[in-house]
Amino acid sequence: GAGVSQTPSNKVTEKGKYVELRCDPISGHTALYWYRQSLGQGPEFLIYFQGTGAADDSGLPNDRFFAVRPEGSVSTLKIQRTERGDSAVYLCASSLRDSTDTQYFGPGTRLTVL
Amino acid sequence: GQSLEQPSEVTAVEGAIVQINCTYQTSGFYGLSWYQQHDGGAPTFLSYNGLDGLEETGRFSSFLSRSDSYGYLLLQELQMKDSASYFCAVRDLVGFQKLVFGTGTRLLVSP
Repeated sequence: GAGVSQTPSNKVTEKGKYVELRCDPISGHTALYWYRQSLGQGPEFLIYFQGTGAADDSGLPNDRFFAVRPEGSVSTLKIQRTERGDSAVYLCASSLRDSTDTQYFGPGTRLTVL
Repeated sequence: GQSLEQPSEVTAVEGAIVQINCTYQTSGFYGLSWYQQHDGGAPTFLSYNGLDGLEETGRFSSFLSRSDSYGYLLLQELQMKDSASYFCAVRDLVGFQKLVFGTGTRLLVSP
């Protein structure tokens, strides 16, 4: 079956611009996670959704970052006034339920801020 | 908070056995997981230890010792396709839905 998909696969933007990154989880998965991965490092947690609500957004680095999941399926990560330090691979993962150690990751969106 | 340390790189030859260690400092967690990530690819789940001891899944085995704050991933009969980065990860007791990943180990398998 279809896995987690993310679009775009690559995004190049200029400093100060606004970007949206999309995640389409595995059908039926109620839990959705966003992580950020810098080169040579492990993924770092950003935000977790259970259904439509953000149950844990403790990993968002500042108020320029925001994510939504309005219908409990697709999620969008939004970054305002991008900075060069935001350059990274943004990974989305989903799981059948929360409290599970098996998360299914998408291929990520590589964001480059010039 | 959680801190998980791994060797940065391990090299081995095809057919060999390699062990990737994960040492951690943590205030408590539900279990230790291992993920594999090929260059440019998505992390994929390999193994999970909720209890101390050894878990075996085909060529891969994983071990956890909570008393020693230590775990490892054992890869047997190495193949070229095993060349990838490997991450240990824990789901901590506070904010228990999120995974906290280790520093990652790059495994290079040569012919």
